[in-house]
Amino acid sequence: SQQGEEDPQALSIQEGENATMNCSYKTSINNLQWYRQNSGRGLVHLILIRSNEREKHSGRLRVTLDTSKKSSSLLITASRAADTASYFCATDDGDTGRRALTFGSGTRLQVQP
Amino acid sequence: EAQVTQNPRYLITVTGKKLTVTCSQNMNHEYMSWYRQDPGLGLRQIYYSMNVEVTDKGDVPEGYKVSRKEKRNFPLILESPSPNQTSLYFCASSLLMLAGGNTGELFFGEGSRLTVL
Repeated sequence: SQQGEEDPQALSIQEGENATMNCSYKTSINNLQWYRQNSGRGLVHLILIRSNEREKHSGRLRVTLDTSKKSSSLLITASRAADTASYFCATDDGDTGRRALTFGSGTRLQVQP
Repeated sequence: EAQVTQNPRYLITVTGKKLTVTCSQNMNHEYMSWYRQDPGLGLRQIYYSMNVEVTDKGDVPEGYKVSRKEKRNFPLILESPSPNQTSLYFCASSLLMLAGGNTGELFFGEGSRLTVL
């Protein structure tokens, strides 16, 4: 079952611009995580935000979480060509207690140099 | 270096020929999991393991088997592969996967691209 759904599916921007990706989910969660995947490679963890947090920063990344709207956003500031990748949100299944992260289909980000 | 290692990275096989994809982690993680990634479907969990000799089904377990005889290894077994199992497979591990869904970050392998003809 897909818990997180990212929006947009694809995003193309110029180097130096900001990139914003959104994630919506359906059930209650304990935390939400964002991952990055370079083409054909494994996923790499970027940031985790807990359900009692509203905003978190890590370097050029800013994540917000709105549990009332069941949504999160990932902002990458001053983007670089090396940020070109797919980005996934992932949630735990807080309702079921199943020991898993459920991933959405991802946003493909293309940063033009 | 902390890592999750999968082998093989690429494999082409034929329908019905049993194969095993190995996964090994060197971080002493108790939790390990297998996902498959297909275009438009994101990552879907196949099986997971909370600890040695403890495994459970994920979202799409049909056609797969796993075992967890040692903490560091979590092989994925396809007893009789079929073309619909053509996919990109990822093994992942985590230090923290508590009851109630409180999870830590997952560490992923580089993936195994499997083609079943």
